[in-house]
Amino acid sequence: DTEVTQTPKHLVMGMTNKKSLKCEQHMGHRAMYWYKQKAKKPPELMFVYSYEKLSINESVPSRFSPECPNSSLLNLHLHALQPEDSALYLCASSQDTYGNNSPLHFGNGTRLTVT
Amino acid sequence: SQQGEEDPQALSIQEGENATMNCSYKTSINNLQWYRQNSGRGLVHLILIRSNEREKHSGRLRVTLDTSKKSSSLLITASRAADTASYFCATDESAGGTSYGKLTFGQGTILTVHP
Repeated sequence: DTEVTQTPKHLVMGMTNKKSLKCEQHMGHRAMYWYKQKAKKPPELMFVYSYEKLSINESVPSRFSPECPNSSLLNLHLHALQPEDSALYLCASSQDTYGNNSPLHFGNGTRLTVT
Repeated sequence: SQQGEEDPQALSIQEGENATMNCSYKTSINNLQWYRQNSGRGLVHLILIRSNEREKHSGRLRVTLDTSKKSSSLLITASRAADTASYFCATDESAGGTSYGKLTFGQGTILTVHP
């Protein structure tokens, strides 16, 4: 079992729906991340939050909207997605951001299907 | 080609044999990390090697780093069927000794260990 919890495990949504992915960690980590992973591909960084502030946005389309309500929680709000957005969405946390040699702790992901 | 290319793309061995995976990268790095992913699950951190280190061990894992060749290798000794997974290297890229704050994953090696 992982110390980073993601909900839901699976999500099917239509292109006009609005949904949210949730991520929670209680390790006292101050950096949190969203990654997107397509089948048989490596994870691709989407967003980085450091001390609850958005520090990196990898030119992600605005239909993906991240939110960090507090140091333990990270949300990803989804709206008007496209079928090509179907993927495994992974949340991760680290004690500090990468520059301090902090490894990432990943959740098991949300498998998203857009119909 | 991309940062963090791995070779081979797939590796099939018998239990008890050693498995070696290689990773090449293009830019200066702060550290290089190896992760493991079981099918459809989150990634698990295996080992982190800093740019000023040349070799690191953890249990049956041995990682080497050659910054002059911009390459790393992961050796798993005495493999077990439970080691079957995808293995990714990930680089914390830097410039002038300062991390960009991004971890970029390689394409991965799919390891299959037959009982």
